[in-house]
Amino acid sequence: QVQLQESGPGLVKPSGTLSLTCAVSGGSISSSNWWSWVRQPPGKGLEWIGEIFHSGRTNFNPSLKTRVTISLDKSKNQFSLRLTSVTAADTAVYYCARLYNGLDVWGQGTTVTVSS
Amino acid sequence: DIVLTQSPDSLAVSLGERATINCKSSQSVLYSSNSENYLGWYQQKPGQPPKLLIYWASTRESGVPDRFSGSGSGTDFTLTISSLQAEDVAVYYCQQYYTTPYTFGQGTKLEIK
Repeated sequence: QVQLQESGPGLVKPSGTLSLTCAVSGGSISSSNWWSWVRQPPGKGLEWIGEIFHSGRTNFNPSLKTRVTISLDKSKNQFSLRLTSVTAADTAVYYCARLYNGLDVWGQGTTVTVSS
Repeated sequence: DIVLTQSPDSLAVSLGERATINCKSSQSVLYSSNSENYLGWYQQKPGQPPKLLIYWASTRESGVPDRFSGSGSGTDFTLTISSLQAEDVAVYYCQQYYTTPYTFGQGTKLEIK
């Protein structure tokens, strides 16, 4: 079955760039699914960041659109998130997930702290 | 954006009793071409990612116990746990995937009374 695993730096400086990767195993990133990023600030609810299709088509949350890039690497079967100009408000657990019928497969999440 | 409002924010139910969580959408998430409601329910336990319980508003995900059920259509939805078990203590979220940006309800914290 499909499994997802996030990776990336756990600490990013303010005004810096957050970069995370989601490795897909047990299935192909080129399948007909959208691949999403979702975040959860400490003690708060879930916020959808954006998604990418295997064609490279993307959709983003307008609240983050000017700062977000999502890309995919078919050769490595993974997709990535890039968030620029980060502040303390971007401190959160970041999850990658697959949209099939709902978000049916999730990674375990990776904690990113924005701090100097 | 579609706003999802859950009620209540928290809920305490005795073991073996019924738990009901509501989710109201600011606009319909019923897609007329296939008559499906693009609404899912998730369970999140501390330190874990959300787990999909229900999709299309009422279809139970594989492996989810049948005490979990979803109902509703259009703008009003309900998640019901028919007989609460200790392992059901969690935060529950509804989510719409009808249109981007996908949005979540604020969450309902379910505890044992």
